[in-house]
Amino acid sequence: DFVMTQSPDSLAVSLGERATISCKSSQSVLYSPNNKNYLAWYQQKPGQPPKLLISWASIRESGVPDRFSGSGSGTDFTLTISDLQAEDVAVYHCQQCLNNPFTFGQGTKVEIK
Amino acid sequence: QLLLQESGPRLVKPSETLSLTCTVSGDSLTNSDFFWGWLRQPPGKGLEWIGGIYYSRTTFYNPSLKSRITISLDTSKNQFSLKVNSVTAADTALYYCARHIGDSGWPRFSDYWGQGILVTVSS
Repeated sequence: DFVMTQSPDSLAVSLGERATISCKSSQSVLYSPNNKNYLAWYQQKPGQPPKLLISWASIRESGVPDRFSGSGSGTDFTLTISDLQAEDVAVYHCQQCLNNPFTFGQGTKVEIK
Repeated sequence: QLLLQESGPRLVKPSETLSLTCTVSGDSLTNSDFFWGWLRQPPGKGLEWIGGIYYSRTTFYNPSLKSRITISLDTSKNQFSLKVNSVTAADTALYYCARHIGDSGWPRFSDYWGQGILVTVSS
């Protein structure tokens, strides 16, 4: 199985500042024939299901604020939340969808400092 | 607006079968653009992808669960279902149904989720 490891497990960021979350895969999730990274980011607020924020490592879903951005390729990926807002408090999960089983990272909790 | 709603027993005895149904409104399970599937999250733990199904009834299962699970489709009711056989306490989790964006014949990213249903395995 592909093992997805997120860091840190939690972080506290001041309002308006930047939050950066790392996701590393044990194997590359870049599929060479189509040059796509099969990597997604989800946001999960307390008591709610996960919400898809970013697919293909860097493509924001419709309606997702542009302060959320995804980057990276192969085995190393980053979710950046610039200008952190109070409503961004949540757990963020990365998921690889290249190899079955489609595995998730352990989650990163983002709080306000 | 697309809505998914899980339903089923919230308490299941060990060794018995867990059965859940997802009712979809706002989209048709025969829509060939998407797949439909299940994920779960044990209390205090991370997410696990269980499996998915296409309108053609082709199924895709997590290999670690494949011997115990069945995902099926009822297009007349616009519902799909999950069965997990021989459950143990390790199957206690919040179960989500979700629509999946497809790519290259496989379900990939989950773009719409139900609210989830907590199923406890206990005698």
